[in-house]
Amino acid sequence: EAGVAQSPRYKIIEKRQSVAFWCNPISGHATLYWYQQILGQGPKLLIQFQNNGVVDDSQLPKDRFSAERLKGVDSTLKIQPAKLEDSAVYLCASSSNPGGQGSPLHFGNGTRLTVT
Amino acid sequence: AQSVTQPDIHITVSEGASLELRCNYSYGATPYLFWYVQSPGQGLQLLLKYFSGDTLVQGIKGFEAEFKRSQSSFNLRKPSVHWSDAAEYFCAVGPRGGSYIPTFGRGTSLIVHP
Repeated sequence: EAGVAQSPRYKIIEKRQSVAFWCNPISGHATLYWYQQILGQGPKLLIQFQNNGVVDDSQLPKDRFSAERLKGVDSTLKIQPAKLEDSAVYLCASSSNPGGQGSPLHFGNGTRLTVT
Repeated sequence: AQSVTQPDIHITVSEGASLELRCNYSYGATPYLFWYVQSPGQGLQLLLKYFSGDTLVQGIKGFEAEFKRSQSSFNLRKPSVHWSDAAEYFCAVGPRGGSYIPTFGRGTSLIVHP
């Protein structure tokens, strides 16, 4: 099966600019996650979708970050305006179980964002 | 709140030597437990998982992990390390019931010397 696809792989922007990341999960996977991985740290959850509904976005900085999953398939994560501390790898993951209970996550290769 | 601790930031081993990476968790009930590996520029790949039953679980690439309830630990082991095992290793926990949000440790970087 095709894996989780993410684009772009790399992005360099200046602070206060906006940026968007795209994710296409594994076909049929209902649950989709966006994680932020700062250098030297483990992934931190930003938002979790179940189909096209948000399950948890408690750690998403909503003043600048937004995400959507139209039609319950692809998802986009946007940052506007970007800050220096947003420099990180943004990982998208999907899982097959509805609600994700106990299901391992399948990760994309991530988008490395550098904010200058 | 659940948490995952990987006490070792870096581990250096010689090729052919044995390996143990430590993971401790804090959670009210035994969660689902996972180990993932991340090579440079790649996403995370699942090595193995523990759901229930046998406390010694086997994974891919010759890795195994042992769940010890009394110690709230889920340590990863490999009897003989290969140079290609050099990577970042993440322990993760997922709660049983409620909103399923896997939490990751900060990772342990494995360096393999020839």
